[in-house]
Amino acid sequence: QKEVEQDPGPLSVPEGAIVSLNCTYSNSAFQYFMWYRQYSRKGPELLMYTYSSGNKEDGRFTAQVDKSSKYISLFIRDSQPSDSATYLCAMKEEYGNKLVFGAGTILRVKS
Amino acid sequence: DAGITQSPRHKVTETGTPVTLRCHQTENHRYMYWYRQDPGHGLRLIHYSYGVKDTDKGEVSDGYSVSRSKTEDFLLTLESATSSQTSVYFCAISAGWGRDQETQYFGPGTRLLVL
Repeated sequence: QKEVEQDPGPLSVPEGAIVSLNCTYSNSAFQYFMWYRQYSRKGPELLMYTYSSGNKEDGRFTAQVDKSSKYISLFIRDSQPSDSATYLCAMKEEYGNKLVFGAGTILRVKS
Repeated sequence: DAGITQSPRHKVTETGTPVTLRCHQTENHRYMYWYRQDPGHGLRLIHYSYGVKDTDKGEVSDGYSVSRSKTEDFLLTLESATSSQTSVYFCAISAGWGRDQETQYFGPGTRLLVL
């Protein structure tokens, strides 16, 4: 079993839809949770970063962390074709700097 | 790409040949990382460095070595390339660890094909 599980998709939605992307994990020591966006043939770019549990909002993006369920989510409101990309969750323990990544979910937003 | 360059960006090589990939940063960040990305596996850590001449192994280090003689440069060497090392390689950097320091920023990637 992988330490971080993420549905690879692809997830196809119409423009304007609310998108929900999720990851589950098994290591209860994870404290930092991140979402990266990766466009085709590009490097990943940091989208959202959350420490411990709770919600964080940035524009159309909301990240949620539920440590009791070992479950994290990224919501995208009013999705746009430019949001079409692969979304990678990543997480790490309190100390040390090794990130563990999910396999990534391919998102396609159709206009 | 946060002041990170990778070279070469594309490379085709033959099985058994040595290959060196270079990562160069202009951010003066302490930590540098090499990952490989393969379908179904996401990003997997190969090696990382926490300072000049200080390196450690990651999850998939077999067949790879690294060197860091200057803060700005981190080299990844495949001593004798195999077809299983065909992948996209990403370099990343971070300032340190602890809140607001441990965020990793990625380079543009190197596509390596081993025939």
